[in-house]
Amino acid sequence: DIQLTQSPSFLSASVGDRVTITCRASQGISSSLAWYQQKPAKAPKLLIYAASTLQSGVPSRFSGSGSGTDFTLTISSLQPEDFATYYCQQLNTYPLFTFGPGTKVDIK
Amino acid sequence: QVQLVESGGGVVQPGKSLRLSCAASGFNFSNYGMHWVRQTPGKGLDWVAVILYDGTNNYYADSAKGRFIISRDNSKNTLFLQMNSLRPEDTGVYYCAKGLTNLALMCAFDYWGQGTLVTVSS
Repeated sequence: DIQLTQSPSFLSASVGDRVTITCRASQGISSSLAWYQQKPAKAPKLLIYAASTLQSGVPSRFSGSGSGTDFTLTISSLQPEDFATYYCQQLNTYPLFTFGPGTKVDIK
Repeated sequence: QVQLVESGGGVVQPGKSLRLSCAASGFNFSNYGMHWVRQTPGKGLDWVAVILYDGTNNYYADSAKGRFIISRDNSKNTLFLQMNSLRPEDTGVYYCAKGLTNLALMCAFDYWGQGTLVTVSS
């Protein structure tokens, strides 16, 4: 079975910082990866799909890259509303629609 | 605008059943695959089940196979999850979510409901 790992699990950053979160798949998944943002007591929100395609309405400070097994979500300049937990999700193989364990981005 | 509204959650004893519903609006419901996703309190996201746009195929996480049934009524723009033989580990917030791509199965989830809490406890 495929497994997703995210690093770091927790990240403390300041407004204006460049933030990078990594998602690694245990086997190749081409570009079949999505990124979500979740704030406390809210549903997840789609940010990126197909590894690097920005979902409509998502600010351009968010970007995604990677293919195969290694993927990155980058926030170019962290804003106050970006403090949240971020999840990656694979859309390629069994078990279907697996999510990563999440990365919590907190205020330094 | 797209709206997904879940209902049917509550407190239920182990071994009992519960049926969740998700009322959809603002898009052509019959053209999109639909999902259920669970979030355990304080933990991450677990995909539970998906049903194809026309209801002809569905797939389940191992934890749901043989106990949960996903279905849809395209005439009423409603998604369902019948949960049987519930266990304490099924406890969590259940979200319904819409597939991003028209008529496709393996795609991201672009809209989510607000979630409904299921608690399995004696």
